[in-house]
Amino acid sequence: EVQLVESGGGLVQPGGSLRLSCAASGFMFSNYWMHWVRQAPGKGLVWVSRIDSEGSTTYADSVKGRFTISRDNAKNTLYLQMNSLRDEDTAVYYCARILAVGTPLGYWGQGTLVTVSS
Amino acid sequence: EIVLTQSPGTLSLSPGERATLSCRASQSVSSSYLAWYQHKPGQAPRLLIYGASSRATGIPDRFSGSGSGTDFTLTISRLEPEDFAVYHCHQYGSSPWTFGQGTKVEIK
Repeated sequence: EVQLVESGGGLVQPGGSLRLSCAASGFMFSNYWMHWVRQAPGKGLVWVSRIDSEGSTTYADSVKGRFTISRDNAKNTLYLQMNSLRDEDTAVYYCARILAVGTPLGYWGQGTLVTVSS
Repeated sequence: EIVLTQSPGTLSLSPGERATLSCRASQSVSSSYLAWYQHKPGQAPRLLIYGASSRATGIPDRFSGSGSGTDFTLTISRLEPEDFAVYHCHQYGSSPWTFGQGTKVEIK
């Protein structure tokens, strides 16, 4: 069974940093592109970043230059390093995986809440 | 980027009724790469439909998707109590992937 479990969320001051982790199990982690998606309170889902199986990365404009996605295939873990955090980064952050090539995000974690506030 | 606009924002219906949710894209969605998710508070989004009309594994046949180009629809033929939730549409054909703002289906 595919499982994705996020951790690392919490309260951080504006300008601060936080690193999220996503522990994956139940599939060959190294073979899959992985994504981060977030949902601010009362808002819709927003795609944040993705990393392919070779380590190439893509980011939403809103986080480019501040967030870094990475993966450790030996630990089956996905990361999101978030720097220079802003109030508008407050959200539940989900890691997710596509079902297969050409399909959307079919497996999601439960999410971890990041609150940016002074 | 493709902007997805969902309507209505909230749908108030009774169990057993039919729900029709709309998702309109600002430009054509490539290869009908349009998906629908059900999302309940504190839970992970659940994939219902992909490729505009294909049901994901384990999804009841009361859920159906249709549409192409810029106009897509999710229909729930007869609402069950567990169907009251927020529904998001999502396009995964063009980068960056985008989502609609969601339609809340609430009990009338």
